[in-house]
Amino acid sequence: ETGVTQSPTHLIKTRGQQVTLRCSSQSGHNTVSWYQQALGQGPQFIFQYYREEENGRGNFPPRFSGLQFPNYSSELNVNALELDDSALYLCASSDGRVPGELFFGEGSRLTVL
Amino acid sequence: DQQVKQNSPSLSVQEGRISILNCDYTNSMFDYFLWYKKYPAEGPTFLISISSIKDKNEDGRFTVFLNKSAKHLSLHIVPSQPGDSAVYFCAAMHPGGGSQGNLIFGKGTKLSVKP
Repeated sequence: ETGVTQSPTHLIKTRGQQVTLRCSSQSGHNTVSWYQQALGQGPQFIFQYYREEENGRGNFPPRFSGLQFPNYSSELNVNALELDDSALYLCASSDGRVPGELFFGEGSRLTVL
Repeated sequence: DQQVKQNSPSLSVQEGRISILNCDYTNSMFDYFLWYKKYPAEGPTFLISISSIKDKNEDGRFTVFLNKSAKHLSLHIVPSQPGDSAVYFCAAMHPGGGSQGNLIFGKGTKLSVKP
């Protein structure tokens, strides 16, 4: 059984640029969530997708957007990058069997200069 | 304003002794709580959870206690092992249902278990 994988693991962008982060869900999981973890903080919920539809969103501006594909892989897109977007971005998938049990990937470390 | 608070950034415990990690929350609507463990360079992994209708849930060496009146929960690890050294996050499921991936995390407590 393949776990959650994310790419790229590290990347550097400059302010104003756009970035796409990718996630491959664990086999059999139809729900994916994205989190932002700033240094010294806990993960913060960005949004969730279930069967290709966004069905929950945290307190993030519209320049954070996402997609979920029929094979349940997912993308997180961030436009007009700001310095404060520098963080670890975590993708998590779940099958809903245990409430709140998420299976996280290792994350993508984004640095905005 | 933080709804889930872990006021101890770090905790050091001797191997074999009990580790107690604490968590407070402010929203009385929270009805499901979880603990996650995170090793460096890895994503968080689910450890144990508890529903608000219970006051205790046990899984091997790990026990979570919930005190609803105090809006407080704790994770007990007995006996502690060096492999338990990690950052522990307390989380609450966002009330309202439907979006089970919407967890509200605390800032984490770094546990160090010394041999």
